[in-house]
Formats: sequence, C-alpha cells, structure tokens
Amino acid sequence: QVQLVESGGGVVRPGKSLRLSCAVSGFTSGSGLTFSDYAMHWVRQAPGKGLEWVATIPDDESDEYYVDSVKGRFTISRDNSKNTLYLQMNSLRTEDTAVYYCARDLGLHGGVFDYWGQGTLVTVSS
Amino acid sequence: EIVLTQSPATLSLSPGEKATLSCRASQSLSNYYLAWYQQIPGQSPRLLIYGASSRATGIPDRFSGSGSGTDFTLTINRLEPEDFGVYYCQHYESPPLSFGGGTKVE
Repeated sequence: QVQLVESGGGVVRPGKSLRLSCAVSGFTSGSGLTFSDYAMHWVRQAPGKGLEWVATIPDDESDEYYVDSVKGRFTISRDNSKNTLYLQMNSLRTEDTAVYYCARDLGLHGGVFDYWGQGTLVTVSS
Repeated sequence: EIVLTQSPATLSLSPGEKATLSCRASQSLSNYYLAWYQQIPGQSPRLLIYGASSRATGIPDRFSGSGSGTDFTLTINRLEPEDFGVYYCQHYESPPLSFGGGTKVE
C-alpha cells in the first residue's frame, strides 16, 4: 500500500535551517506508476490551525511552486532514485512552526492530495 | 489569489443526521477544481471529494459533493460516529493553492 513517511522535524532557533524528508513506497501497487510519475507536495498545519499549502514539485521537476510566505527561503526537491521528497527550509521564522505533511498528487489536473504522510513537527523558537 | 470561505465554522449534529457544509470561492473555479478533505483529531487529512463531486477511492457514498463556479457544498447523509471532525475545502485552479478555514462537525 502507499506509504509516505516524513522525518527531519525538530526544534530550531529562528534564522536557522532544517531539511525535511519524505520517503515513499507502494506507489506501483496496481498502477504500474512509480514515484517519478507523480507530482508531490508539502502542506503544513500550525498548532490548532487549519491547513496551508506550502510547495509543489511536478513529476518532471519542470518547475517549483511556493506559497508567498516561504518563497526565497524554502526549496522543494526530489530524488527519484531514492523515492524521496525533500523540503529545505532556511531562515526559519517562529511562524513556520507547524506539522509538515508530504502528500502525493492524485494525477489529474494537478493539485489534489490523495495520500498524506503522518507529518513531522517543526518548532521554531528561541 | 483565490480565497475560500467555509461556513458554518461549527456544526453541532447527532449521529444519523445530515450535514451540509458550504465553501465559497472569491472567484469562479473553472472545471470544478475543488476538493474536500476530512481530518479527524490526531490524524492526517483524508481526501474525500475532487472535481467538486467525484468521490475518492474508498469513500462511502454517504459523502457527496456538489456546486460550481463560486459555491460548493459537501453533504454527509446519515452521520456515522467516525465522521465527526474537521472538513476543509481546497481549490486547485492554479498556484497558489489554498484551503478554506474548515468546518468542525461535532
């Protein structure tokens, strides 16, 4: 079955960096498609708050898309040979504190999140 | 940037009742690019509906979506105990993607 497992969260001081990883498996079950065939996303949720889309990387890595609040500070990337998605977070701010989820794209128009990981908590605090 | 407004913020119902959740977009969504997610406390979100009305794999038929343009609705017929949680709508017209603020069904 499809599994997404995030890691790399923790407590970090403002201005510092952190890199999140999302290891995926089971994408080929029944479909013949692999990790490299899917766009991938990061979505975050601040404590007690709603969901916020953070970033998207297409299957062909042709572009990257970000919410305005992280542009220039966060970088989404992927390693298809390792079935892993990344989020490099630099110049972290207290308002970046959240649970970060990776999510797979459903694969239609793009932008529908059909499988989610369990999330990893990032706490930015002095 | 498209802003999604969900109402009501909280819906207080009993098992067996019908829930009607609303999502209004600040501009018209072409091709019904609207999805709904369920989040149970302590769990990751789960995709329920995409394309405004298509149920995701494994979603019971008591969940249905409707609407077009700027006004969308998620209906849950005959609430089950496991349906209580927070529901979010989300547009995927084009980046930046965004979610509504959520409706808590309690």
